[in-house]
Amino acid sequence: AQSVTQPDIHITVSEGASLELRCNYSYGATPYLFWYVQSPGQGLQLLLKYFSGDTLVQGIKGFEAEFKRSQSSFNLRKPSVHWSDAAEYFCAVGPDSGTYKYIFGTGTRLKVLA
Amino acid sequence: GAGVSQSPRYKVAKRGQDVALRCDPISGHVSLFWYQQALGQGPEFLTYFQNEAQLDKSGLPSDRFFAERPEGSVSTLKIQRTQQEDSAVYLCASSLGREIHEQYFGPGTRLTVT
Repeated sequence: AQSVTQPDIHITVSEGASLELRCNYSYGATPYLFWYVQSPGQGLQLLLKYFSGDTLVQGIKGFEAEFKRSQSSFNLRKPSVHWSDAAEYFCAVGPDSGTYKYIFGTGTRLKVLA
Repeated sequence: GAGVSQSPRYKVAKRGQDVALRCDPISGHVSLFWYQQALGQGPEFLTYFQNEAQLDKSGLPSDRFFAERPEGSVSTLKIQRTQQEDSAVYLCASSLGREIHEQYFGPGTRLTVT
């Protein structure tokens, strides 16, 4: 069955430092991959997506992610974190073959130190 | 611009009561998803509509859960005879496309069953 793993439950970085959030997936075919951000009391907002083509994708708010098929990974990166980036980040894959089901990871909560 | 809206934002129900949660998707969006998000978890897929057709309800946890989208726009998720384990945030998302879904999420309805 398809699955998404986000190994880091919490990450703390200093403002201005670089960031990498990990995402590993298990998927039978070429996956459609997504990163979403959820701020407290807010719905999820799409940061970026990968469907095909260039494996390095750019998103909003200065985020980027790289699809690595050999490692089944889709890690999210940002070169310099801002205090406003503190939120929960979710990786997602889908839809599951033959369904419309998208599978989300359990999330990584990012804390930014001033 | 108008995003996805959900009402009510908060709902407290006594165990055994029925509840109805509403979702207003972005105008013109064909696809509509419902998710359940338990505390500290990622969203879990419940059901999917394409216009008024419910094409996937594989994630509905029991026959107490029912969703409809009769005119292909507003959707209602109904939970009958609520149980404590139904306590969660219920998220609605809409997408313009039919096949690949960039989902726009609403703020969610937090349901607490006492």
